[in-house]
Amino acid sequence: EIVLTQSPGTLSLSPGERATLSCRASQSVSSSYLAWYQQKPGQAPRLLIYGASSRATGIPDRFSGSGSGTDFTLTISRLEPEDFAVYYCQQGYTFGQGTKLEIK
Amino acid sequence: EVQLVESGGGLVQPGGSLKLSCAASGFTFSGSAMHWVRQASGKGLEWVGRIRSKANSYATAYAASVKGRFTISRDDSKNTAYLQMNSLKTEDTAVYYCTRPDTAMGTAFDIWGQGTMVTVSS
Repeated sequence: EIVLTQSPGTLSLSPGERATLSCRASQSVSSSYLAWYQQKPGQAPRLLIYGASSRATGIPDRFSGSGSGTDFTLTISRLEPEDFAVYYCQQGYTFGQGTKLEIK
Repeated sequence: EVQLVESGGGLVQPGGSLKLSCAASGFTFSGSAMHWVRQASGKGLEWVGRIRSKANSYATAYAASVKGRFTISRDDSKNTAYLQMNSLKTEDTAVYYCTRPDTAMGTAFDIWGQGTMVTVSS
């Protein structure tokens, strides 16, 4: 069973800064099946990135994904106020535990 | 409009049963697998199970934590998926989401319902 470990658990940044979120798999996974989600309080998750690096429909280009094998990264180039949320990576039936991005 | 709407949540005693529904619209439901994902308060996302399409023999799969207690089914004529939950435990308390994977996006879940709350408590 694949385990996805996200780091850091909490990331404190200011609007306008760059955010780098990590997702590490316990074994090599196919990039085709690595996705990232954003979740705000009281809302369902929203798909941001699929196939490790492809943006879902309507997702701003400040969001980008990269990585392969066991190490994947979600980057938000310049944080907007609406980007502060919890982010999850997912591969198959497994989700990471989440990274909370909070305003510093 | 592409949409998933869950219903059927509520308060149930430990050992009880509950059946959730997920009504789909705006896409070809019969050709899609459907999954259930849950989230306990303040916790992360946990995959519960899935049912594939008729073309894939309506195959089901479940998380170890619910296997033998939960059953997923679907009625393509009603564009609805179901999650039958039996022998409920307090640790099953969570918001339950139905979601659809887009095969063009690997297994990424591109459509989510709003969720329905299940509380297991005496």
